[in-house]
Amino acid sequence: SQQGEEDPQALSIQEGENATMNCSYKTSINNLQWYRQNSGRGLVHLILIRSNEREKHSGRLRVTLDTSKKSSSLLITASRAADTASYFCATDATGNDMRFGAGTRLTVKP
Amino acid sequence: KAGVTQTPRYLIKTRGQQVTLSCSPISGHRSVSWYQQTPGQGLQFLFEYFSETQRNKGNFPGRFSGRQFSNSRSEMNVSTLELGDSALYLCASSLSTVSYEQYFGPGTRLTVT
Repeated sequence: SQQGEEDPQALSIQEGENATMNCSYKTSINNLQWYRQNSGRGLVHLILIRSNEREKHSGRLRVTLDTSKKSSSLLITASRAADTASYFCATDATGNDMRFGAGTRLTVKP
Repeated sequence: KAGVTQTPRYLIKTRGQQVTLSCSPISGHRSVSWYQQTPGQGLQFLFEYFSETQRNKGNFPGRFSGRQFSNSRSEMNVSTLELGDSALYLCASSLSTVSYEQYFGPGTRLTVT
């Protein structure tokens, strides 16, 4: 069963704009990770944020985590056409498996 | 370093048959996890292996099984295939556990007819 839910399900923006995706989950977690998937290929790891962290940056990516609200957000700044992909959040808790959300389909128009 | 490799990339099988998928993790990675991805159910965890031991198992029937070898390579087997088993099967490796970043292979696209 899925743990996380991404919001929105789909997002369409113009190149240069920022894209924000949200993820909510149900149980306490150790870590939350964001992955990207291009057209039914394997997933690419983007960023991992631990439960005791609130914000993390990696290049044009910014991830926040609010454990009190059981939610996370992924911000992609200055988006490019190459950012077009599906984005998934994944969570794991002690003794549990990795659970992925349903994903947000991002389309960046040139 | 070479990435995670999965073989075969595409597979077509008939209902009732069985199938074995293979995954070679990144050198030095000891944890291998398997996932099933379908349009309807999304990404679902199948199992995780670490040092040849199954550490976690998802909510799948016993027809789905796996193993890991001493060189960390892993195989998963699906017996008595059903139409609903058609999916993209993804393998991921990590240094230790799913709590570390996982590196995914390109997947095996299984079609059951």
